Amino acid sequence: QKEVEQNSGPLSVPEGAIASLNCTYSDRGSQSFFWYRQYSGKSPELIMSIYSNGDKEDGRFTAQLNKASQYVSLLIRDSQPSDSATYLCAVNLGGGADGLTFGKGTHLIIQP
Amino acid sequence: GAVVSQHPSWVICKSGTSVKIECRSLDFQATTMFWYRQFPKQSLMLMATSNEGSKATYEQGVEKDKFLINHASLTLSTLTVTSAHPEDSSFYICSARPTGDVFFGQGTRLTVV
Repeated sequence: QKEVEQNSGPLSVPEGAIASLNCTYSDRGSQSFFWYRQYSGKSPELIMSIYSNGDKEDGRFTAQLNKASQYVSLLIRDSQPSDSATYLCAVNLGGGADGLTFGKGTHLIIQP
Repeated sequence: GAVVSQHPSWVICKSGTSVKIECRSLDFQATTMFWYRQFPKQSLMLMATSNEGSKATYEQGVEKDKFLINHASLTLSTLTVTSAHPEDSSFYICSARPTGDVFFGQGTRLTVV
């Protein structure tokens, strides 16, 4: 049974601070890792993908992957109120034919 | 990013009727598409994998006779919810993976009354 675990929150962060979101997964064969942002009533929006150990930065976002620890995280720098949303961690075995396994999501609140 | 378009964005139907949801890849060809379902306050759950030109693969616990999937072309997959009941009310979302990243359609909010 493939599982992806996230703290459901809510995680409250002051505006301008760094928000840190964490995710662990159970399947050691997982190869592709994704972070999505989902606003209430909307479809998930891709923020970052990461495939190899280490850090990957894109603007205010940094994804970190540690396959040995089966851990993936997302850092959001200079948090803005518009970053308030549910952040979904998703994992895939790597092949294009496999769907994603999602965590339950972390509800992030950025306090103005 | 790649564009995945879903239609309709919302639909209300009577119990016992069928509803068809379309998922299109607008700027790429997709031999495989995925259908997810999301209930309120829950995460996305994979329902089935739609394969162009062949039968869909359903996840455990998903009734294939109730959720009919057709992937007749490289840019279109359809999900038909047959004999819908109120418990089928949910947010249905399709996705595709043109390269490495996975993109989602806008989702379809189904309400069965």
